[in-house]
Amino acid sequence: EAGVVQSPRYKIIEKKQPVAFWCNPISGHNTLYWYRQNLGQGPELLIRYENEEAVDDSQLPKDRFSAERLKGVDSTLKIQPAELGDSAVYLCASSRDRGFDEQYFGPGTRLTVT
Amino acid sequence: GIQVEQSPPDLILQEGANSTLRCNFSDSVNNLQWFHQNPWGQLINLFYIPSGTKQNGRLSATTVATERYSLLYISSSQTTDSGVYFCAVDLYNFNKFYFGSGTKLNVKP
Repeated sequence: EAGVVQSPRYKIIEKKQPVAFWCNPISGHNTLYWYRQNLGQGPELLIRYENEEAVDDSQLPKDRFSAERLKGVDSTLKIQPAELGDSAVYLCASSRDRGFDEQYFGPGTRLTVT
Repeated sequence: GIQVEQSPPDLILQEGANSTLRCNFSDSVNNLQWFHQNPWGQLINLFYIPSGTKQNGRLSATTVATERYSLLYISSSQTTDSGVYFCAVDLYNFNKFYFGSGTKLNVKP
């Protein structure tokens, strides 16, 4: 069984530029999560999808961040425009169902904003 | 407020030693997982353990949900055990996963 796939693995951009991250969850997993992990800290949830529906986006900075999960499979997280403080690792995870099921994480995208 | 606290924050072991990592949480849980984040940043699932005890090789975990804590035991540690160990908790009244701040483990040869 293939794991969670993310791309790109690394991204360096200048501030005010846009950036997008892509995630392909484990086949059959209905729930998809995007997390942000700052250096030396645990991951923090940005948004959770159940199929196509964003059921929890309370921690997503909506002025510059957006996400979509078309057809309930792949997902894209976008930042526009990026700020210096957005430098972090962006992690995608998936689980078969929400809340009572085990999460599996992708390798992450390390974003550096200069 | 919501709290997921891990201890100790840092741990240095000699290869072959045993250790216990602790995760305290502030509310009832639906789900609790332990992860190992390796030096390349990949989060590796260790245990899905909202309650009870599980063992996998040299690692075992116990969650006492009524007392709101979980323990991760590492026996006969190896240098490959180095990294950061996180517990993540899905708190019953909040429907959201919260990660602790991690325990950074360094196993020396």
